[in-house]
Amino acid sequence: EIVLTQSPGTLSLSPGERATLSCRASQTLSRNSLVWYQQIPGQAPRLLIYGASSRAPGIPDRFSGSGSGTDFTLTISRLEPEDIAVYYCQQYANSPLNFGGGTTVEIK
Amino acid sequence: QVQLVQSGAEVKKPGASVKVSCKTSGYIFTTYPIHWVRQAPGQRLEWMGWINAGSGNTKYSQKFQGRVTITRDTSASTAYMDLSSLSLEDTAVYYCARWNSGCDSWGQGTLVTVSP
Repeated sequence: EIVLTQSPGTLSLSPGERATLSCRASQTLSRNSLVWYQQIPGQAPRLLIYGASSRAPGIPDRFSGSGSGTDFTLTISRLEPEDIAVYYCQQYANSPLNFGGGTTVEIK
Repeated sequence: QVQLVQSGAEVKKPGASVKVSCKTSGYIFTTYPIHWVRQAPGQRLEWMGWINAGSGNTKYSQKFQGRVTITRDTSASTAYMDLSSLSLEDTAVYYCARWNSGCDSWGQGTLVTVSP
């Protein structure tokens, strides 16, 4: 099965700063089969990015995804207070559709 | 608008089974797969399996193979997740989600507590 490793575990930044989150897969993901979710504590996850780089409907353009093969990145260009959350990547190239361990983004 | 509404919280004894429902609305139910994901307290999201809502075909994570059964009732636009032989480690929030190039709509979650 494909294992996803996210880093860093926690990111502490000031509002307006750029956040860069990493997701590394143990095997190449065919067709860039990777999505990113945002989970605010106490809420269900929200889809941000699909196909590694396509923004889901209604997602602000400060969120962007990039990468291919085994290395993927979620970037928040200018951090807003409402972006405080845990961010997860998930692969859908092979079953089981595993999630990464998550990156917590907090405001400094 | 697309909505997924799950059944309420459950408390179960070890060894028991639980069945969680996921009633959908706002779209054609048979057009999109439904996935089930759980999250134990303070833990990562964990994928359990999915059902093709049209054909009824299923695929499960090997971790839950033999214990989980996902079904659907197309007349009620509802999916179900049945988990048997519960242990304390199955205490978690269970989510259903519609798959559309990713889980684009989620239920509110159902807390299942397994307690002696």
